[in-house]
Formats: sequence, structure tokens, C-alpha cells
Amino acid sequence: DGGITQSPKYLFRKEGQNVTLSCEQNLNHDAMYWYRQDPGQGLRLIYYSQIVNDFQKGDIAEGYSVSREKKESFPLTVTSAQKNPTAFYLCASKRQKDTEAFFGQGTRLTVV
Amino acid sequence: KQEVTQIPAALSVPEGENLVLNCSFTDSAIYNLQWFRQDPGKGLTSLLLIQSSQREQTSGRLNASLDKSSGRSTLYIAASQPGDSATYLCAVLFSSNTGKLIFGQGTTLQVKP
Repeated sequence: DGGITQSPKYLFRKEGQNVTLSCEQNLNHDAMYWYRQDPGQGLRLIYYSQIVNDFQKGDIAEGYSVSREKKESFPLTVTSAQKNPTAFYLCASKRQKDTEAFFGQGTRLTVV
Repeated sequence: KQEVTQIPAALSVPEGENLVLNCSFTDSAIYNLQWFRQDPGKGLTSLLLIQSSQREQTSGRLNASLDKSSGRSTLYIAASQPGDSATYLCAVLFSSNTGKLIFGQGTTLQVKP
């Protein structure tokens, strides 16, 4: 089945730790995106990539980093510099920048 | 600033009612607009994509319209069912943005049996 897989579903982070969220797609899509969702604030764009080995900052990139070494993979690292990382993280992909977007099932990150 | 707004934030209706969800956006220069459904704790499911050249799209009991000149889109749900209860989000791809979808905050719908 084609789709977007995010893992893990739940993730717990201690203060000062870096953690990496996985996003894999087998849709052969060029563009991939990371969004953060907080209650009452909708979805906010963290980083996006239109092509392999290239990515751009979104609206709230501080404290996050990404890589796009393979077309099918776009991992997101939440660094210790992110002061309030507890949120629901969603990965999306598109065949091209102006086509339909598809989302994964999300990762819920909690700081303990 | 390019913004997307959805009003109301929450809506409760009895089963069987036809209903309309609203989405407004600040810039008429758009590539497309997409409607999503989100169940609690889940990802987003794409419902309908309307390109800027289209006026409406239909899928089953769902019909989405687009009026660029007024900066508005509506999602019409016919004969609502309890299974339609979810949060509905609209997202706009503005022409000046390089592939970035801008989301509204969503309308949470409850359909009562």
C-alpha cells in the first residue's frame, strides 16, 4: 500500500535531549513537509523540502533540524534548543508543490 | 499577511441535517485549496482539492465550492451522520508561496444521533 509512515506514534523526551521523528513515503513524491499542531493554534510549518538534498525553513524552524538525503525520507530532529517541544507532529508529502497533499498519522511528542 | 480563517470553531447538529462549513482567505491569488478531515489523535485525511480554475468539486455527500474573488470556500455535507463528527480543516496554497500550505484553525463538527 502506498502512503506516509510516521514513527514512533508516541515519543517521550527528557529535558536537554535531542530526538528524531521519522517520516517515510513510498508515493514517489518530490515534496515533503513537517508541521506542528498545538491545541487552538492549527498547523504551523516547521520545514519543507521540494527536492532531495534541499530544504527550507518554515514559520517555526527554531530548535528543529531536518535532512533530505533520500527522496522517500525526511526525518525531523527536535533539539534541546526547542523550548516547548510538546506537541503533535505531522509529516506530509506532495507529488509536486501544487498538487494534493497527503499526511501521515502523526507523532505525539511529550517532554517528561 | 496571507491568512486562512474558519468560522465557527465548533458546530453541533442533529443527524440528517445538511450543513455548510466556511473557509475564508485573504489573497485571491491562489493555486488551489484543499479540505481535510482530522479525527482525534489522528493525521489528516484529504477530502477534496479544488484548483484555482475550478468552481467546485464533489465526492459522495461532500461538495466544496471556491469563490476566489471573494476569498471564500465552503464545504457542504449532505445528510450528516454521526460518523461525520471530526475536525475539518481547509488549507490554501497561495500563488506567491513556494508550495507552503496555509491552514485554517479548523471547525470541530459534532453530529448527534
